[in-house]
Amino acid sequence: AAGVIQSPRHLIKEKRETATLKCYPIPRHDTVYWYQQGPGQDPQFLISFYEKMQSDKGSIPDRFSAQQFSDYHSELNMSSLELGDSALYFCASRSNPYGYTFGSGTRLTVV
Amino acid sequence: AQSVTQLGSHVSVSEGALVLLRCNYSSSVPPYLFWYVQYPNQGLQLLLKYTTGATLVKGINGFEAEFKKSETSFHLTKPSAHMSDAAEYFCAVSDQKSGGYNKLIFGAGTRLAVHP
Repeated sequence: AAGVIQSPRHLIKEKRETATLKCYPIPRHDTVYWYQQGPGQDPQFLISFYEKMQSDKGSIPDRFSAQQFSDYHSELNMSSLELGDSALYFCASRSNPYGYTFGSGTRLTVV
Repeated sequence: AQSVTQLGSHVSVSEGALVLLRCNYSSSVPPYLFWYVQYPNQGLQLLLKYTTGATLVKGINGFEAEFKKSETSFHLTKPSAHMSDAAEYFCAVSDQKSGGYNKLIFGAGTRLAVHP
């Protein structure tokens, strides 16, 4: 079965650089969620999209932005990267009230 | 708003012993509850979930959890621990709100260690 695809798997950036993370949800899943998991932390909700519109927003810094495209893939854009942005970034998609599927994540390291 | 509390950030058991990971939730509406497992440097894998119906839910790898509304709990158990069960376990609740765009809210996680 198709899963949630995230790219890249690993990313190393320098401080103040920009990063773009991509998420390809399971086909026909209409909702996408982004989470940030710092070292030793639980996943923190960043933002979600339903049918290409932002549906909810969590603790996402103003330096970050995201969107969902017509083909339902989503991108998380992160600018002016800081050391504290180093984390595992998860994307999840959902098709029904409780059918969440997570991707394997993108590990971002800011040096 | 919904929330999740996992009691015990670290649990250590012997191989073959009972595993009990505790989770309490707070929700003003009937909750959807989940347990996820995360192995080092990997993603989140769904162990089991409770939505409606039978309160004892069986999941993968021999895990099960029981939804107890009176205790607002959803503890995870496994009768006999295996070395391969060593991982981080997260309890989560679906943040149900109007419109149905419900994000998952995670507990702080419990790291399970299994020793010989």
